[in-house]
Amino acid sequence: KNQVEQSPQSLIILEGKNCTLQCNYTVSPFSNLRWYKQDTGRGPVSLTIMTFSENTKSNGRYTATLDADTKQSSLHITASQLSDSASYICVVSAANNAGNMLTFGGGTRLMVKP
Amino acid sequence: DTGVSQDPRHKITKRGQNVTFRCDPISEHNRLYWYRQTLGQGPEFLTYFQNEAQLEKSRLLSDRFSAERPKGSFSTLEIQRTEQGDSAMYLCASSSSTGKGQPQHFGDGTRLSIL
Repeated sequence: KNQVEQSPQSLIILEGKNCTLQCNYTVSPFSNLRWYKQDTGRGPVSLTIMTFSENTKSNGRYTATLDADTKQSSLHITASQLSDSASYICVVSAANNAGNMLTFGGGTRLMVKP
Repeated sequence: DTGVSQDPRHKITKRGQNVTFRCDPISEHNRLYWYRQTLGQGPEFLTYFQNEAQLEKSRLLSDRFSAERPKGSFSTLEIQRTEQGDSAMYLCASSSSTGKGQPQHFGDGTRLSIL
């Protein structure tokens, strides 16, 4: 069964600090991995996408890494801001082009405090 | 590009009532997806359309749920005889089938509360 596990479930950090969120997956056959940011009461918004051959991708203060051998990914947030408070969801796409191709993690709820 | 639009944003209803939600995808996207998300969890796949054809349905989609996309543009999701367990956020997403790795763009969801 395809699964995506994220840790920690929740995290509180002070504004300006860095943090790293983790994602482990068992999805086969693997196509790509995305990190989404979901603000409270809003839909998820894509931050980064990585395919099998990519091991790092940056989007501003967000840097995602992918180790396809160990099936692990991380999202590093640098110099956190209050607006980074949200849930961060790791989503792995299977290469079956089916409607249910996406497997979602349960998310990490990040709170940035002043 | 106005994004994926969902209506209503919030719906409160009594158990046993029927509810219908609408999703307007990004106009050039031919694929449309419905998901359900409960608090603290990631979205769970419900069903998927390519143009007007409903190609997949999850086992989560009981016979009380029905989705349509009659003209291959907007979609509706109806829940009949609602139960308290139906309380959740219902998310719609759309994507293009052309090219590889096209992202799904999500709407802001309809939050359903069953009293």
